[in-house]
Amino acid sequence: DTEVTQTPKHLVMGMTNKKSLKCEQHMGHRAMYWYKQKAKKPPELMFVYSYEKLSINESVPSRFSPECPNSSLLNLHLHALQPEDSALYLCASSQVLQGARNSPLHFGNGTRLTVT
Amino acid sequence: AQSVTQLDSHVSVSEGTPVLLRCNYSSSYSPSLFWYVQHPNKGLQLLLKYTSAATLVKGINGFEAEFKKSETSFHLTKPSAHMSDAAEYFCVVTTSYGQNFVFGPGTRLSVLP
Repeated sequence: DTEVTQTPKHLVMGMTNKKSLKCEQHMGHRAMYWYKQKAKKPPELMFVYSYEKLSINESVPSRFSPECPNSSLLNLHLHALQPEDSALYLCASSQVLQGARNSPLHFGNGTRLTVT
Repeated sequence: AQSVTQLDSHVSVSEGTPVLLRCNYSSSYSPSLFWYVQHPNKGLQLLLKYTSAATLVKGINGFEAEFKKSETSFHLTKPSAHMSDAAEYFCVVTTSYGQNFVFGPGTRLSVLP
């Protein structure tokens, strides 16, 4: 079982809908990530939050809007998506180790998004 | 800049035979390296990590990997494959203290009965 929980597991939405993906972790990690993964491809980084502040935005279209309400929660708000946005959306978290080597990413099981 | 090459997009082995998944990296600084496994419709699970301690790293489910700086490699091995090992495997490198993780393209492992 993963320690990063994502809801919903599956989501089907039309191009005019507004929906949100949710992610929660209770490991005390202060960095949280959104990745997008297409079939047979590695995950692609979308956003990184560090200490609840957006630290990396990989030129993601504005129809994706991240939010980090507190250190345990991460949301991804979706609006006016396109069919090509259909993918597995993965949330991950990691420790932020000052002056030390990198802590690994801990992934949730993802939300399978289909845009019709 | 960092990069990761996984030399085989698909590896097929028979159950009970050894597994070798190859990973080469490019990095300007001392890297941290990770192997992840992904079963269908699941997230990525950490198998093992190298962060400048012992060069031979043991992970979960009988997997291990050896960091070879001279060859810039971090190959994943397992002495005896099990049917449940069939999955996608990703090698990941990072060299910063930030959050820049670079993924390899992945290797699909098939295990034949």
